[in-house]
Amino acid sequence: EVQLVESGGGLVQPGRSLKLSCVASGFTFSNYGMNWIRQAPGKGLEWVAYISSGSSYIYYAETVKGRFTISRDNAKNTLYLQMTSLRSEDTALYYCAKEGYGYYSSYIYSWGQGVMVTVSS
Amino acid sequence: DIQMTQSPASLSASLEEIVTITCQASQDIGNYLSWYQQKPGKSPQLLIHSATSLADGVPSRFSGSRSGTQYSLKINRLQVEDTGIYYCLQHYSAPYTFGAGTKLELK
Repeated sequence: EVQLVESGGGLVQPGRSLKLSCVASGFTFSNYGMNWIRQAPGKGLEWVAYISSGSSYIYYAETVKGRFTISRDNAKNTLYLQMTSLRSEDTALYYCAKEGYGYYSSYIYSWGQGVMVTVSS
Repeated sequence: DIQMTQSPASLSASLEEIVTITCQASQDIGNYLSWYQQKPGKSPQLLIHSATSLADGVPSRFSGSRSGTQYSLKINRLQVEDTGIYYCLQHYSAPYTFGAGTKLELK
């Protein structure tokens, strides 16, 4: 069974930094692309960042580009999101999400339970 | 960037009714379209991937279809447990984009 367990969230002041982690189990982590997706309170889903299985391909949403860095350690089965210059609009529940592959397609196969990040003074 | 226009924003339907939710992509995304259900306080769950493939463990009353750049999620014979918010996602080209969501309630 796929398990994704996020950690590292909390209350942080605007302009400060925070690093999220996601420990994966139940699948061969090094074979799959991974994503961070967030959901502001009462709002819809927003894709944040993607990293390919071997870290060769990395993409970001425009809203976080230049401030957030996605990375992974395949030896530790762990995905990271380093967040800097945090803003109030970054307040959200952050999900770690595993990619799935279909016939000429890819999608989000599984989600973690999410970790809350609150940016406030 | 690819825009996903999801409709309706909200929907109230009766038990056993047929429900359809659509997502219109702003450009060709092939089969890189998936559907998710989210219940209050829970993580989203995959329903349909590759536009038309039912995810493991999902009831067969859920189905997905595609007509060009328009994608639909159909729920046959709506059940109580089907209430929640439904999202589509295009995973064809970054930035990946979700539809705005459809809140499905029982009438």
